[in-house]
Amino acid sequence: GNSVTQMEGPVTLSEEAFLTINCTYTATGYPSLFWYVQYPGEGLQLLLKATKADDKGSNKGFEATYRKETTSFHLEKGSVQVSDSAVYFCALSETGSQGNLIFGKGTKLSVKP
Amino acid sequence: DAGVIQSPRHEVTEMGQEVTLRCKPISGHNSLFWYRQTMMRGLELLIYFNNNVPIDDSGMPEDRFSAKMPNASFSTLKIQPSEPRDSAVYFCASSSGQGRYTGELFFGEGSRLTVL
Repeated sequence: GNSVTQMEGPVTLSEEAFLTINCTYTATGYPSLFWYVQYPGEGLQLLLKATKADDKGSNKGFEATYRKETTSFHLEKGSVQVSDSAVYFCALSETGSQGNLIFGKGTKLSVKP
Repeated sequence: DAGVIQSPRHEVTEMGQEVTLRCKPISGHNSLFWYRQTMMRGLELLIYFNNNVPIDDSGMPEDRFSAKMPNASFSTLKIQPSEPRDSAVYFCASSSGQGRYTGELFFGEGSRLTVL
């Protein structure tokens, strides 16, 4: 079945460091791909998305490129801030689905000043 | 605009008691989802509705769990009887649109359930 695998956390970085969180997926057809972020005590919120191969999603300095050849959607940010500390979830939407997403297990990011 | 509203935010109950979690989706959204989040298992989809009709309930753990959506603006998730292993954060989410690009899910702030 369809699935999402993302790197185990937690990830601890110093402020202004470069961030990469790896995400790979298994899916039939042509899924849409998403990164969601969960700040402490809150629900998940969409960070960025990509709907077809080679699309790049971006938001708040974060970027991810839909790579069909490597079935990957890695999240990157050039310079993280303390306020980026959160749990990041990679997700896919199955082709022809009615809206349900399949989520990875989440990667906790802690950014130290 | 109001987001997805869940209640209660926190619930502490004793094993064997009935628990009812409530959700009000965003007005105009036609899909509603119930997720459960635990440290061990991450985010699990329990059930989702489209136009108030349950589409997939394969994620519902067992018969102790039931969900209803009597109208477009309200859904409940009920656990009866509750057990300690049901302790988790339960999220409700809603979305609009169908088809290949399914759009964004909007999550509520969650209901943290503790079963003693």
